[in-house]
Amino acid sequence: DSGVTQTPKHLITATGQRVTLRCSPRSGDLSVYWYQQSLDQGLQFLIHYYNGEERAKGNILERFSAQQFPDLHSELNLSSLELGDSALYFCASSVVSAGYNEQFFGPGTRLTVL
Amino acid sequence: AQSVSQHNHHVILSEAASLELGCNYSYGGTVNLFWYVQYPGQHLQLLLKYFSGDPLVKGIKGFEAEFIKSKFSFNLRKPSVQWSDTAEYFCAVSGNRDDKIIFGKGTRLHILP
Repeated sequence: DSGVTQTPKHLITATGQRVTLRCSPRSGDLSVYWYQQSLDQGLQFLIHYYNGEERAKGNILERFSAQQFPDLHSELNLSSLELGDSALYFCASSVVSAGYNEQFFGPGTRLTVL
Repeated sequence: AQSVSQHNHHVILSEAASLELGCNYSYGGTVNLFWYVQYPGQHLQLLLKYFSGDPLVKGIKGFEAEFIKSKFSFNLRKPSVQWSDTAEYFCAVSGNRDDKIIFGKGTRLHILP
C-alpha cells in the first residue's frame, strides 16, 4: 500500500458523458501527478499540481481538466468521453515538486467507455 | 525532445536465468533515472533510482541498474530471476527542475517456473 488512494476503482460509462476521478495523496505530500496508461500509448503523463497550483502539463486533452483542492486531494475531470479514453488512470504523489523525488502511485481507476 | 526507449516489449525467461532490460533516454541536462515495477493487478512501485554518485545502483529484490552517461543508458539487471519477478517494468527519466517524469512504454517480463 503506497498511501495514495484513488476512487472509484472501476468506472463504466458511455460516450459523450463526463466523469470525475478522485485522488488523495500520501499524508504530507504536496505534489499530485496524473497519468493515463493504455496498451498502445503506455504510461503518459497528463498533469502535475503542487500545493494547489498547476505546475506542468503533458499530453492532456482539452476535454480533460484537473484541480487540487486546499486539503490537497485532486480530481481529474474527463468530459465528452470517447471510446479511446478507455484506460487506466493513475495518480501519484511526492513530497515536493522536484525531478529527483520518488513518486508514489495509487492503485488506479479503470475507465471503460462504451 | 525528452523520451525514454525500452528495447524489449516482452521478455520470457526461465527461473534462475539472468536478466537485463535495456533503457535508453534522450534528455538535455542533468538527469534522474528510475525503474518502476508493476506486479499483476498492483500499482507501480519504485524498484531503484539514480540521482548522482555511483553509477551502479542497487535496488530492492536483488535488482541493480547501471547509468552509462556516454551511452544515455540505464539498463536493469538481475543475476538470477524468480517466478515472482513476473511483472511489467518501466524505465523513467526526469530533470532536477522538472515537474514531470517521462516513462518508457514498459517491458512485460514473464518468468517460467
